[in-house]
Amino acid sequence: AQTVTQSQPEMSVQEAETVTLSCTYDTSESDYYLFWYKQPPSRQMILVIRQEAYKQQNATENRFSVNFQKAAKSFSLKISDSQLGDAAMYFCAYRLRGGADGLTFGKGTHLIIQP
Amino acid sequence: DVKVTQSSRYLVKRTGEKVFLECVQDMDHENMFWYRQDPGLGLRLIYFSYDVKMKEKGDIPEGYSVSREKKERFSLILESASTNQTSMYLCASSYRDLGGELFFGEGSRLTVL
Repeated sequence: AQTVTQSQPEMSVQEAETVTLSCTYDTSESDYYLFWYKQPPSRQMILVIRQEAYKQQNATENRFSVNFQKAAKSFSLKISDSQLGDAAMYFCAYRLRGGADGLTFGKGTHLIIQP
Repeated sequence: DVKVTQSSRYLVKRTGEKVFLECVQDMDHENMFWYRQDPGLGLRLIYFSYDVKMKEKGDIPEGYSVSREKKERFSLILESASTNQTSMYLCASSYRDLGGELFFGEGSRLTVL
């Protein structure tokens, strides 16, 4: 079974600075997706960024980028120029390509933005 | 935009009551999911469905059942609610295999007294 581990229950960063959230996963498969989801307080879970395992290039979405290390099974999220609206729970997730059984999630990292 | 709608944001029920949580999606997604979210435990999959009338157990199906009579609707049923089922319940949907992304509803916070 696949597992996803987020080792940082909580992180804090000053506004405008850069923060990196860590995620490792365990799988014997070679073709899969990795995701970072954001869940603001009392609000809907939304997708931040997606990485396809067969793509070597790291995904980027504006201020959000990932460092995908397939051999090390590591998938960290970097948030540049942190903003107050980035405060949320962040979940790392794995999904086998073609799999019908949804995402496997880590336990989440609570990100605090200090003004 | 994809919309996943959960029927109730907040519910309070008593032990032993039957509870229905409804979820509707408007994007013709094949797959639908129910997750439970608890602090420190992340999201855990209860049940999922890849087609109408089809259902599969997830990681924590005990105490729950589901129904999918129409493609757009996926219901979670607690036959006899217990206090340890007090939690946030998240519904999600996705295409069978188009990018893998799940789209989530806003969640239903259930309190069982």
